[in-house]
Amino acid sequence: ETGVTQTPRHLVMGMTNKKSLKCEQHLGHNAMYWYKQSAKKPLELMFVYSLEERVENNSVPSRFSPECPNSSHLFLHLHTLQPEDSALYLCASSQDFAPNYEQYFGPGTRLTVT
Amino acid sequence: AQKVTQAQTEISVVEKEDVTLDCVYETRDTTYYLFWYKQPPSGELVFLIRRNSFDEQNEISGRYSWNFQKSTSSFNFTITASQVVDSAVYFCALSEDQTGANNLFFGTGTRLTVIP
Repeated sequence: ETGVTQTPRHLVMGMTNKKSLKCEQHLGHNAMYWYKQSAKKPLELMFVYSLEERVENNSVPSRFSPECPNSSHLFLHLHTLQPEDSALYLCASSQDFAPNYEQYFGPGTRLTVT
Repeated sequence: AQKVTQAQTEISVVEKEDVTLDCVYETRDTTYYLFWYKQPPSGELVFLIRRNSFDEQNEISGRYSWNFQKSTSSFNFTITASQVVDSAVYFCALSEDQTGANNLFFGTGTRLTVIP
């Protein structure tokens, strides 16, 4: 595997379900990110981890819970979601947390909440 | 106010035509970084270029070229002799040094369709 991988690629869940999204980066990077991409809206940064510590949380509802067990893996735990949470969830990584480093993205998980 | 504006929502061109995607940014920081990403139908954002605010030199990479002008706060992207494989959504993004963090502000994207 190379780059940034995400599983599953597609997920359909009911509002009472609990599920997790997984992201893995094979680039040796120190920072990882979760983004939400909804139709006709800019990408929204949700969470940022640098060296496994959360450094940014942009007022995301508590029904989204991130976990970063090591610098290569990032999870997004989902529970009691709402239909408006349906979106493409993208994971990214960068060599460092500083603003001059480009981010590399995974293919995303297309989430549908029914 | 939006930090990155991509006024062109959708563009269609015929193959082999040149096309320019516009990006206008807004920042008070003196040091900042501009990026372009391509998102093909597969969903993955592909990094294309990064530009530092202190380097206004234009860049060319194959059929791609970028025109950075601080005077107009623009960072436009031109594809020469477009191909069907160029069809994608293109995003311009900005990060600012003053934040000390890699917070990318994205535009809403321009969907480019290249017609064979």
